[in-house]
Amino acid sequence: EVQLVESGGGLVQPGGSLRISCAASGFAFRSHMMHWVRQAPGKGLVWVSHITTYGSETAYADSVKGRFTISRDDARNTLYLQMNSLRAEDSAVYFCTKDDYGSFDYWGQGTLVTVSS
Amino acid sequence: DVVMTQSPLSLPVTLGQPASISCRSSQSLVYSDGNTYLNWFQQRPGQSPGRLIYKVSNRDSGVPDRFSGSGSGTDFTLKISRVEAEDVGVYYCMQGTHWPRTFGQGTKLEI
Repeated sequence: EVQLVESGGGLVQPGGSLRISCAASGFAFRSHMMHWVRQAPGKGLVWVSHITTYGSETAYADSVKGRFTISRDDARNTLYLQMNSLRAEDSAVYFCTKDDYGSFDYWGQGTLVTVSS
Repeated sequence: DVVMTQSPLSLPVTLGQPASISCRSSQSLVYSDGNTYLNWFQQRPGQSPGRLIYKVSNRDSGVPDRFSGSGSGTDFTLKISRVEAEDVGVYYCMQGTHWPRTFGQGTKLEI
């Protein structure tokens, strides 16, 4: 059974940093592109970032470019998102998702990040 | 970026009646390999999204056959033949043809 379990969310002050994680199991993690998607309270889904296999390529939404860094540890089957210079508008539930070539076939339960003083 | 526009944004329905959601893209979603990467996701209250449909009309395993997807190019539709209480939630279309991946605004289905 495929499982994606996010962790590391919490309350952080504006300008602060946070690293969230996604532990994957039930599939060949190293063989799949992975994504982060976020959802602000009461709002829709927004793609944030992706990382290809072996971490060879990464991409970011314009709203987070230069502030967020996606990475992966294939030995630990874990996806990360390092978030720096956080802003109030970054407050959201962050979901990790498994790529399925033009789709996202599995989603985690999400981790809530709140940026507030 | 490709803009995905859903309508309606709110969909009151009666149990047992059909429902339909439209999704239009600002560019064609036909990829160079001939496939059209249009997906539908369901997000029940308090849950993470789950995929219902991929490549326009392919239902995921376990998705009831009352859900169907259709369309081509830039115009797509999700249909529920007979709405059940468990179908309450928000439905999103998402295109997987162009980068970055983009979602529709969501359609809230309520009884």
